[in-house]
Amino acid sequence: GNSVTQMEGPVTLSEEAFLTINCTYTATGYPSLFWYVQYPGEGLQLLLKATKADDKGSNKGFEATYRKETTSFHLEKGSVQVSDSAVYFCALGGSQGNLIFGKGTKLSVKP
Amino acid sequence: SQTIHQWPATLVQPVGSPLSLECTVEGTSNPNLYWYRQAAGRGLQLLFYSVGIGQISSEVPQNLSASRPQDRQFILSSKKLLLSDSGFYLCAWSFEADYGYTFGSGTRLTVV
Repeated sequence: GNSVTQMEGPVTLSEEAFLTINCTYTATGYPSLFWYVQYPGEGLQLLLKATKADDKGSNKGFEATYRKETTSFHLEKGSVQVSDSAVYFCALGGSQGNLIFGKGTKLSVKP
Repeated sequence: SQTIHQWPATLVQPVGSPLSLECTVEGTSNPNLYWYRQAAGRGLQLLFYSVGIGQISSEVPQNLSASRPQDRQFILSSKKLLLSDSGFYLCAWSFEADYGYTFGSGTRLTVV
């Protein structure tokens, strides 16, 4: 079945550093891919998504490209801010119409 | 526009007491509904999902149950809470996976 693996955290960066959070997937077919963000004490919010190979999702300075050849959907941001501190979840569409989430990566950005 | 409401925001309950968490969706019809649990420092665990009134699928056997008495209402219940039921409970809705989920703001449950 479909599955997703994302890098273990926590990730600690200084403000304005470059961010990469790795996410790889195993899937039959070509499911949509997502990144969700969870700020402390809140629910999850959709950050960005890509629905087919080579699509690039982007939002709030974050980007991720749907790479079929490497089965990856890495999240990147060129210059992180303290307000980006949160837990980030990679997800893909499951074969039963649900979403399958990675375990989450906690990002802490220090001023 | 569609909105999802989840309450209460926080709850402290003694071991052995009952539980009822409610989730409602507005602005849409016949959504798929989901209950997730997030234990401290851990990922998301899918507990139940529903594709229609009275249709509940359970992902993890446990002392929790779910019901969908109305199209846009999803309830998570327990007859007797355990300490291990503590966690952050999230409700979500979607039309289909390719459109993603919209999550509620969550309920922080502490069983003491």
